[in-house]
Amino acid sequence: ETGVTQTPRHLVMGMTNKKSLKCEQHLGHNAMYWYKQSAKKPLELMFVYNFKEQTENNSVPSRFSPECPNSSHLFLHLHTLQPEDSALYLCASSQDEAGGLANEKLFFGSGTQLSVL
Amino acid sequence: KNEVEQSPQNLTAQEGEFITINCSYSVGISALHWLQQHPGGGIVSLFMLSSGKKKHGRLIATINIQEKHSSLHITASHPRDSAVYICAVSGSYNTDKLIFGTGTRLQVFP
Repeated sequence: ETGVTQTPRHLVMGMTNKKSLKCEQHLGHNAMYWYKQSAKKPLELMFVYNFKEQTENNSVPSRFSPECPNSSHLFLHLHTLQPEDSALYLCASSQDEAGGLANEKLFFGSGTQLSVL
Repeated sequence: KNEVEQSPQNLTAQEGEFITINCSYSVGISALHWLQQHPGGGIVSLFMLSSGKKKHGRLIATINIQEKHSSLHITASHPRDSAVYICAVSGSYNTDKLIFGTGTRLQVFP
C-alpha cells in the first residue's frame, strides 16, 4: 500500500464513451502526476499538478482532460478516445521541496488498465 | 537512441543468484531513481541517489557519475523479486521532469 489509490483498476470503453479515472493520495503531498505506460515504451509524463495548479502538460491531446480539485485528488477525464490510447494510466504523488520535482521520491498508484475498443 | 538505456531488457535467474541490472544515461543528472513494477502495474520507488551507493535489505544501488552509469544489484534473489525494474534520471537542466528507461524484466525461478 503506497498511500495512492486509483480507481477503477480496469476500464473498457468505446470510442464515443466519456469516462473518468480517479486518483486519491493520503500522504499530504503537494504534487500529483498522470503517467501513461504503453507496451515496450518508457513511462510518459502526461500532466503535473503542484499545489493544485497545472505546471506541466506534455503535449497531451485534448481528449484527455485533467482536473485537480484539491491537493489530495486528481482526475483524468476521457472522451472520444482512440484505440491507440489503450495503455496503463498511472497516478503518482510527491512532496514538493526546493530542488525540483524530479528530485523527489515518487509514490505510485496501482494504475488503471484502459482498453479502447 | 533513448537518453536512458537499460540492460539487459530481459533477465532470468535461479533463486539464490546474484543479479545485476545496468542503466546508462547520456545527460547530466541531478538524481537517478530505481523503481520496481510488479505484475498488476503498481510501481514502488526503491532508491533515489546522486552519488556513491545505497543499500536496502538485499538491494544495492550504485552510481558512477563520471561514467554516467548505475547498477542495481539483488543478492540472494527470490521469486518474489520477479518484476520490471525501471531506471529514471532527473536532468541537471530540468529538475522537474524524469527521463525513464524502458525497464528490465526479471524472472526468478525457484
